[in-house]
Amino acid sequence: GESVGLHLPTLSVQEGDNSIINCAYSNSASDYFIWYKQESGKGPQFIIDIRSNMDKRQGQRVTVLLNKTVKHLSLQIAATQPGDSAVYFCAERITSGTYKYIFGTGTRLKVLA
Amino acid sequence: DVKVTQSSRYLVKRTGEKVFLECVQDMDHENMFWYRQDPGLGLRLIYFSYDVKMKEKGDIPEGYSVSREKKERFSLILESASTNQTSMYLCASKEYAAQETQYFGPGTRLLVL
Repeated sequence: GESVGLHLPTLSVQEGDNSIINCAYSNSASDYFIWYKQESGKGPQFIIDIRSNMDKRQGQRVTVLLNKTVKHLSLQIAATQPGDSAVYFCAERITSGTYKYIFGTGTRLKVLA
Repeated sequence: DVKVTQSSRYLVKRTGEKVFLECVQDMDHENMFWYRQDPGLGLRLIYFSYDVKMKEKGDIPEGYSVSREKKERFSLILESASTNQTSMYLCASKEYAAQETQYFGPGTRLLVL
């Protein structure tokens, strides 16, 4: 939603360039990670996920990199388009008897024409 | 196509009113979730449900209750709305266990006066 973005860091990228959005996660026991895209006025939309036994996963125009050593996750968007403008946030899952998801606050991506 | 719908996009209620937020999914998913989304914070889990008539407290259940009488419908109830419950409320659903992706609804922006 609109007010979610009030306190968010913003990444401005020229159309056609690659975007890299970063996320630091909190728990070394997290076993699964997800990137979501949230456009203004809409609910979050799944983009890509990665399990902790992987360090890279590619989708269509998106790549997620996982560095467990420093607890860092990144989302790379190739050839950024105006339709990519949105808030992007990561989520980590901790499995301890049951599943617990922790969501990041997000980064606003602005694509400049 | 996956579909999660929420009964209202915008709601304005007065302090002390009982508020019902409805969520319906058409994917026959076992798991359903209610989150709230506030500026500067990641999504926070209020309640979730593994299956019909089952519910579990999330991280911030105080002031809320839920109902899951049918598989496709998960209701969030604010027993006596307060101004600190002004927020964006997001519903999500997913298949049980193996399928990790949560599908989100468009959100309900609630203003409590």
